[in-house]
Amino acid sequence: AQSVAQPEDQVNVAEGNPLTVKCTYSVSGNPYLFWYVQYPNRGLQFLLKYITGDNLVKGSYGFEAEFNKSQTSFHLKKPSALVSDSALYFCAVRFSNSNSGYALNFGKGTSLLVTP
Amino acid sequence: KAGVTQTPRYLIKTRGQQVTLSCSPISGHRSVSWYQQTPGQGLQFLFEYFSETQRNKGNFPGRFSGRQFSNSRSEMNVSTLELGDSALYLCASSLPVQETQYFGPGTRLLVL
Repeated sequence: AQSVAQPEDQVNVAEGNPLTVKCTYSVSGNPYLFWYVQYPNRGLQFLLKYITGDNLVKGSYGFEAEFNKSQTSFHLKKPSALVSDSALYFCAVRFSNSNSGYALNFGKGTSLLVTP
Repeated sequence: KAGVTQTPRYLIKTRGQQVTLSCSPISGHRSVSWYQQTPGQGLQFLFEYFSETQRNKGNFPGRFSGRQFSNSRSEMNVSTLELGDSALYLCASSLPVQETQYFGPGTRLLVL
């Protein structure tokens, strides 16, 4: 089964410092990996995805993620955190069935708190 | 382009009732997926529709059903509501061959 794990429930970082939100994956075949962000009382916003190609993926709002096949990881990073980055972050992996339908399996989420 | 819209945004029902939630995808998107988000179980996939056909289904009881119309709008229905059905229900749409799903703001359902 295609799955992802987010080992940290919460990450705290000071504004201006770099941030990392961790994600590891377990998939058969080539993984399709995603990061989404959720602000309070809102839906999910797409940040970035890895399908193939460069291991460093750049996304929205200055976020990037590094795909590491040997460590089966897809950590989300940002060089300089903002207070407004405080939110819930979800890593996800796409899975498919025999009907060509597909869906996302999400990690349990990591709450990011950026303090002034 | 307008994003994914979901109606209603908030809903309060009592146990045993049924509820219908609506989702309008981004224009041109023909795939619509539904997810349930709860504090205990996190985000869980319900089902996916494409061209009015259910292509994929998650591990939910038959009380949860959905459909898609010819204009790609989708509805999900939950019958015989239980307290545990209280959740944020999220709809997402995507282009037929695009991997990225774009989410709506969700419908928050409270079952009393």
